Amino acid sequence: AQSVTQPDIHITVSEGASLELRCNYSYGATPYLFWYVQSPGQGLQLLLKYFSGDTLVQGIKGFEAEFKRSQSSFNLRKPSVHWSDAAEYFCAVGSNTGKLIFGQGTTLQVKP
Amino acid sequence: DTAVSQTPKYLVTQMGNDKSIKCEQNLGHDTMYWYKQDSKKFLKIMFSYNNKELIINETVPNRFSPKSPDKAHLNLHINSLELGDSAVYFCASSQRLPTNEKLFFGSGTQLSVL
Repeated sequence: AQSVTQPDIHITVSEGASLELRCNYSYGATPYLFWYVQSPGQGLQLLLKYFSGDTLVQGIKGFEAEFKRSQSSFNLRKPSVHWSDAAEYFCAVGSNTGKLIFGQGTTLQVKP
Repeated sequence: DTAVSQTPKYLVTQMGNDKSIKCEQNLGHDTMYWYKQDSKKFLKIMFSYNNKELIINETVPNRFSPKSPDKAHLNLHINSLELGDSAVYFCASSQRLPTNEKLFFGSGTQLSVL
């Protein structure tokens, strides 16, 4: 069965520091992978997605993610975090039944 | 204009009541979804409709009944509400059903069952 694991429930970084959020997936075929961000009281917004091709994908708000098949990972990165990046981040995999399977989310806190 | 709008934003009700949440998208998408986010922020799909046809129906109690009068609307009706139904319910839409489509989410309905 398809699944997504985000090992870090909560991460705190200082403003201006680099960020990496981890995501591991389990999927039999080539996965469709996504990162979504949820700001407090809001719905989810797509940051970036990977289907095929270049394994390093660029997204909105300065985020990027790298697909590593050998590690079944799709980690999200940002070189310099801004206070407005504080939010909940969800990794997801598109399944062959037409539904998105989400990880449990990582809460990002940004210290001034 | 809000792309995916759902009402109400907050819903507080007593156990045993029946309530509905409405969702509308103005993106011209074919596919709409209901997701449930529990207190631990875990998101799980409940239903998916494609062109008013039910495509995905997860193991959801039959007290939950989605209705899609047209492809721009997907409402969720819940009968005999229980404490465990308290959660945030998100409506979403995508252009088509394939798994590589971007989802557009509404801002959620926070349901509290007392």
